Amino acid sequence: SQELEQSPQSLIVQEGKNLTINCTSSKTLYGLYWYKQKYGEGLIFLMMLQKGGEEKSHEKITAKLDEKKQQSSLHITASQPSHAGIYLCGADIKPGNTPLVFGKGTRLSVIA
Amino acid sequence: DAGVTQSPTHLIKTRGQQVTLRCSPKSGHDTVSWYQQALGQGPQFIFQYYEEEERQRGNFPDRFSGHQFPNYSSELNVNALLLGDSALYLCASSLLMTGEQPQHFGDGTRLSIL
Repeated sequence: SQELEQSPQSLIVQEGKNLTINCTSSKTLYGLYWYKQKYGEGLIFLMMLQKGGEEKSHEKITAKLDEKKQQSSLHITASQPSHAGIYLCGADIKPGNTPLVFGKGTRLSVIA
Repeated sequence: DAGVTQSPTHLIKTRGQQVTLRCSPKSGHDTVSWYQQALGQGPQFIFQYYEEEERQRGNFPDRFSGHQFPNYSSELNVNALLLGDSALYLCASSLLMTGEQPQHFGDGTRLSIL
């Protein structure tokens, strides 16, 4: 079974619109990481969240980790074509320097 | 400051063959992890190397093996290739003792099995 569930699987939004991607775990998350991936390419790190209730922003992207540390959301404000790609959440589901567990990703398309 | 570099970028093999993929970690990093990403899926952890030894391993068969060299670079070897091994193979590096996250990823090697 998938340890991290991402929703939606895909998303098509009009340029300028806001959107939210969710990442849910049945286990406590010791660290939650958001990455962006262009098709067939490597992962680009976006943000890291570790504390319950933590929220971070970079440019027009905001990520939050809920108080229970089992769900995270990624919010993009005023989407642009450059935001298009696959967004992946990765998580530490054990303490310490452990390999990441990933969701299946959310494919975002931004249309003019 | 060079990031994680992987080679080759693309590779085509036939069933039964063997393949070696290479990874150089980000400068200053000592730990290398390998992931397999099938089409439409998230990356799946294969194994992690630290101090030239396999430190952790995911749910992959023994056909998948690796090596880490004194300069921290790493190789992933896959024997007896199957069609299902077709995927993007990603290498990630980190600094173990500080527990540094996030892991830094390379651009991957696209492996196609015919």
